[in-house]
This record gives sequence, C-alpha cells and structure tokens, in this order.
Amino acid sequence: AQSVTQLGSHVSVSEGALVLLRCNYSSSVPPYLFWYVQYPNQGLQLLLKYTSAATLVKGINGFEAEFKKSETSFHLTKPSAHMSDAAEYFCAVSDTGNTGKLIFGQGTTLQVKP
Amino acid sequence: KAGVTQTPRYLIKTRGQQVTLSCSPISGHRSVSWYQQTPGQGLQFLFEYFSETQRNKGNFPGRFSGRQFSNSRSEMNVSTLELGDSALYLCASSLGHQGTDTQYFGPGTRLTVL
Repeated sequence: AQSVTQLGSHVSVSEGALVLLRCNYSSSVPPYLFWYVQYPNQGLQLLLKYTSAATLVKGINGFEAEFKKSETSFHLTKPSAHMSDAAEYFCAVSDTGNTGKLIFGQGTTLQVKP
Repeated sequence: KAGVTQTPRYLIKTRGQQVTLSCSPISGHRSVSWYQQTPGQGLQFLFEYFSETQRNKGNFPGRFSGRQFSNSRSEMNVSTLELGDSALYLCASSLGHQGTDTQYFGPGTRLTVL
C-alpha cells in the first residue's frame, strides 16, 4: 500500500534562510507525488507535482522538490524563506490503480521568524 | 476559470442530525473527490466520483455517502452525526481520474457537531 511520511510536524526557520521540508514515500509502483500548501482557514493549493518526467520539479512561489528513488524521498526546498511562506505543507502520493485518490502525510507546519 | 466552490462554508449541527455538503467543480472537470481533515487523523479520503459513478471509497462508515450529478456537481451526506464528525470537509476536482491528474481543492466546509 502507498504511504507518505513527513519528518517533523513543525519546522521553524528565519526569514531568508533555507526551507527544507522532508517527505518519504512508500510505493509498490513508480509513484506520482505532490506537495500542497494550506493557509489558515483555506483549502489546499498545489505547489508542485512529480509524474515521472524530470526528477527536479519546480513549483510556484520559488519552491522545488527533487525525486530520489534510491532514498524514496521527495523533499521540498526553497532557498530563501519569506514571512508569507508560513503555512502547513502536505506531501501526498497517488494511490495505485486507475484513481485520483491521494494519500497524504501528516503535514508540516512551517514557522518563519523575522 | 472559477475555482472549486463549496457550500456552506460553515455549519453547526447537533448529534443525531444529518447534513448535506455541496461541491461545484471547476468547469470541465469530471472527477470530484472528498476528504475529511481533522487535527488527529489528518487528511483522509472519503470518496471519488467520475461521470456520476463512485470509483473509490475510503474507510468510513456507511453514514457517509455521496453522489455526483450530470453537471459534475457533487454532494456528500452524513447521517446520524457524531461528535467525531466535526472536521473540515474538502472537495477536490480534476479533469480525469488518473493518478497524474492534478486535484484542485475548494476552501472546505467546516462542520461542527455539538
């Protein structure tokens, strides 16, 4: 069965510092992976997705993620944090089979300190 | 294009009542999925509909049901509400039902059961 583990439920960085949010997946087939962001009292917004093309995926707002099959990881990074990046971030994997069902990690809350 | 819309945004019910939530997908999208978000369990998949057919169902009791109409709009119903049903219910739409299809989320309906 597919699963996703996000390491660290809370991450705190200073404004201008590197953001690194960790995601590891378990999948019996080549996975499709997604990162979503959720701001307070809002739904989820797609940051980026990996669907077996380039292993380095660039997303919105300066975020990118690298798919590493050997490490079963899909970590999210941003070179310089901005105050507006403070939110909750979810890593997700598509379930196997002909379905759009997403399996989410538990989420990581990013705090950005001035 | 307008995004995914969900109505109502907030709802307060008492135990034992039933509730119906509505979701209007992005124009042209034929697939609608529902997720429940709680602090304890995170984001959990409820159901997936495509062309008025339920394609996939999560591990929820039969009190949770849904349907999709010919215009792709979807509703979910929860009968005999329990306190534990208090959650943010998110609807997502996508063009198709493949794992590569991006799911676009609505703002959610916040259900509080008293």
